[in-house]
Amino acid sequence: QVQLVQSGSEVKKPGSSVKVSCKASGGIFNTYSFNWVRQAPGQGLEWMGGIIALFARANYPQKFQGRVTMTTDESTTTAYMELSSLRSEDSGVYFCAINKWLQPFDSWGQGTLISVSS
Amino acid sequence: EIVLTQSPGTLSLSPGERATLSCRASQSVGSNFLAWYQQKPGQAPRLLVFGASSRATGIPDRFSGSGSGTDLTLTITKLEPEDFAVYYCQQYGSSLDFTFGPGTKVEIK
Repeated sequence: QVQLVQSGSEVKKPGSSVKVSCKASGGIFNTYSFNWVRQAPGQGLEWMGGIIALFARANYPQKFQGRVTMTTDESTTTAYMELSSLRSEDSGVYFCAINKWLQPFDSWGQGTLISVSS
Repeated sequence: EIVLTQSPGTLSLSPGERATLSCRASQSVGSNFLAWYQQKPGQAPRLLVFGASSRATGIPDRFSGSGSGTDLTLTITKLEPEDFAVYYCQQYGSSLDFTFGPGTKVEIK
């Protein structure tokens, strides 16, 4: 089973950017897609987009297009998610989760708490 | 975009009772690319069921998934204390295009 370890909590100002990392171990990095799912306080799960590690090809739902960038670094087996133009509504827990083609998310990171406040 | 709705929003039951959770998709999900996750407070979600009816590794057999196309059901035959949590359905029928339902909270009555 692949283990995913995410970077720590962050406090950000509105209008700034945040970059969260997700380090994978125990699997073959390029066989996975890395997805990012966020959860606002007391709310449900929202898929923010994903990136196919082998091709470094990402896809983002329209809601996040232009504000999110997902990348991977095979040399360190780490995936990254950068969200810009932060606003208070972006506060919440951000999870990375991996899947293979046409498979569900079978491993998740522990979550990273992002707080956006002036 | 496939939209998932879940019902009920909250299910109040006692340990030992049977829980039946529903998930409906706005359009048919090919090949039953539908999954269920369990999430407890302060934890990441955990995969329970995939392919509409296959249990993930290590999931007890009191959890079972059924249904196809647009209607999916998760049944927990006898609720254990650790089963009180929030449950989400998910469609994963396209590469890099996923959606989750809004969740059903199973709470202790």
